[in-house]
Amino acid sequence: DTAVSQTPKYLVTQMGNDKSIKCEQNLGHDTMYWYKQDSKKFLKIMFSYNNKELIINETVPNRFSPKSPDKAHLNLHINSLELGDSAVYFCASSQDMGFGLAGWNTGELFFGEGSRLTVL
Amino acid sequence: AQSVTQPDIHITVSEGASLELRCNYSYGATPYLFWYVQSPGQGLQLLLKYFSGDTLVQGIKGFEAEFKRSQSSFNLRKPSVHWSDAAEYFCAVAVRRALTFGSGTRLQVQP
Repeated sequence: DTAVSQTPKYLVTQMGNDKSIKCEQNLGHDTMYWYKQDSKKFLKIMFSYNNKELIINETVPNRFSPKSPDKAHLNLHINSLELGDSAVYFCASSQDMGFGLAGWNTGELFFGEGSRLTVL
Repeated sequence: AQSVTQPDIHITVSEGASLELRCNYSYGATPYLFWYVQSPGQGLQLLLKYFSGDTLVQGIKGFEAEFKRSQSSFNLRKPSVHWSDAAEYFCAVAVRRALTFGSGTRLQVQP
């Protein structure tokens, strides 16, 4: 039973199209994330939701819109796709460990297998 | 800004040899530190984590890492590498309710 599952695994589309990637976690975690991994394998946080509330929104074009219908799901919709959007998008989830001396303590992240988006 | 640096982009070791992958962090408080491994075409799998306590942490697949506050390092080690260890390795630090990752080290294992 997959803990964090995302669909589709591969997505090939034309510039200008709109596409969505879906993510579901069955771990009962409070927090879900979207990360982007570029061609050089660099991983960058895009968004984070805690109990359906957006808590991290990095410098991402507003063509990217996350939606969390409930705390087990976090979808990513991308409008007007551009060549530079080609990447692997990873969904992840974690259980927050509460607020400590150094701020919020993030537990380990559990990752999905990734969705490889290719924009032609 | 809080960050992690992995100085080695690519490392090649012979099967059976020992391995050390370097990670340096920049963080004002006591960091939560992680090592993840990514096999080709796969997601990331946690190898080990450091939150507090014993500075030498044991992980899965025979890996261990040592937290050294004086050197701001969290290096990953394995005494004897197997061909199946060939993968991309990422160090990460918990920052602002997310993980910030290093740029990764690609490990190649020679027979």
